[in-house]
Amino acid sequence: SAVISQKPSRDICQRGTSLTIQCQVDSQVTMMFWYRQQPGQSLTLIATANQGSEATYESGFVIDKFPISRPNLTFSTLTVSNMSPEDSSIYLCSVEAGREMGEQFFGPGTRLTVL
Amino acid sequence: AQRVTQPEKLLSVFKGAPVELKCNYSYSGSPELFWYVQYSRQRLQLLLRHISRESIKGFTADLNKGETSFHLKKPFAQEEDSAMYYCALSGSSGGSNYKLTFGKGTLLTVNP
Repeated sequence: SAVISQKPSRDICQRGTSLTIQCQVDSQVTMMFWYRQQPGQSLTLIATANQGSEATYESGFVIDKFPISRPNLTFSTLTVSNMSPEDSSIYLCSVEAGREMGEQFFGPGTRLTVL
Repeated sequence: AQRVTQPEKLLSVFKGAPVELKCNYSYSGSPELFWYVQYSRQRLQLLLRHISRESIKGFTADLNKGETSFHLKKPFAQEEDSAMYYCALSGSSGGSNYKLTFGKGTLLTVNP
């Protein structure tokens, strides 16, 4: 298993600003994932972050809007840039730490509100 | 493309009644299916995976490839089962990066 923490747990931001969300894992993991959960919606994968390489973004998400860093095997950041109210969501990081592909452990999430 | 459908947004049952949360998937390769659960004020966590064929907290789920379904069942629901349940598919084919695709979730309420 893996224990994941995220900072901040929530934030209220102004339109046009940027917010960086941190994700810390208590063990070394190869793959980290960033998801978005918009109000009333399911989780949508934003990107996969592997240490030592550039993040892989899903369709509809671009690096300029959601830059990701992965400096080591226990830490990653996601920045939400030039925010608009449509970016109001819960952002979650997760890691693959189970026995099978698809078995992921999730952080508590960051609840972002953009005014 | 991989897709997961949970047709019921809300499901309400009485304690002791059987419960079935439906999940259908669409995927051209060989899928791996999971059920994740999120209890109130807790983080999302894995409930069970089809490959293990296990029973967790009395819940079971059988992968039916003919019907492309992975319904979650429990014969006697308990109040503590009240939570949001997500069906998820892990697709891997041709060596491309796999990803976990979630359904929209079903909010289960077990009434006393």
